[in-house]
Amino acid sequence: DIQMTQSPSSLSASVGDRVTITCRASQSISSCLNWYQQKPGKAPKLLIYAASSLQSGVPSRFSGSGSGTDYTLTISSLQPEDFATYHCQQSYITPYSFGQGTKLEIK
Amino acid sequence: EVQLVESGGGLVQPGGSLRLSCAASGFTFSSYSMNWVRQAPGRGLEWVSYISSTSSTIYYTDSVKGRFTISRDNAKNSLYLQMNSLRDEDTAMYFCARDKTDDSSTGYYYYMDVWGKGTTVTVSS
Repeated sequence: DIQMTQSPSSLSASVGDRVTITCRASQSISSCLNWYQQKPGKAPKLLIYAASSLQSGVPSRFSGSGSGTDYTLTISSLQPEDFATYHCQQSYITPYSFGQGTKLEIK
Repeated sequence: EVQLVESGGGLVQPGGSLRLSCAASGFTFSSYSMNWVRQAPGRGLEWVSYISSTSSTIYYTDSVKGRFTISRDNAKNSLYLQMNSLRDEDTAMYFCARDKTDDSSTGYYYYMDVWGKGTTVTVSS
């Protein structure tokens, strides 16, 4: 099974900051990497699919990059509504697997 | 509006059974594969099971194989998860999620683009 490791596990930042979250797979996943945002008590929301494709309706301050085993989610200028938990997920092979999540908190 | 609504969760004793349902609306349910994903309290997301649009392909995570059964009824626009022999560690919020495929020049990419709000399963004596 493919293991997904996110870093950091938590992050404090301020409105306007540029933030980067990293996700590493235990083997190459050929850009089959998705990012989701989840707010407390809510369902996950798709942000990025196929490593770098922005889901319709998601603000352009969100971007994704990477290849092979290493991927990043970048938020170019944090907005108040961006404080949430972010999850990466590989869809290269089943069992699909998620990272442990990165909680983004207000500094 | 594209929507998924889960139901059927509740409190059950270890060894018991529950059947979760997911009602789909606002899209052609029969054209999409579907997933169940769960989240234990305070934990990350865990993919549980996948079913293709025609039910011809089904996958499970190892921890539920032999205990959980995913199924669908395209005529009723509904997805199901039959959960038997429940354990304490099955306690979680269970989400259904639509599986979407992006057919690009570099290959096929799969992702979960629509999620329900979830239904809570608590396994406890």
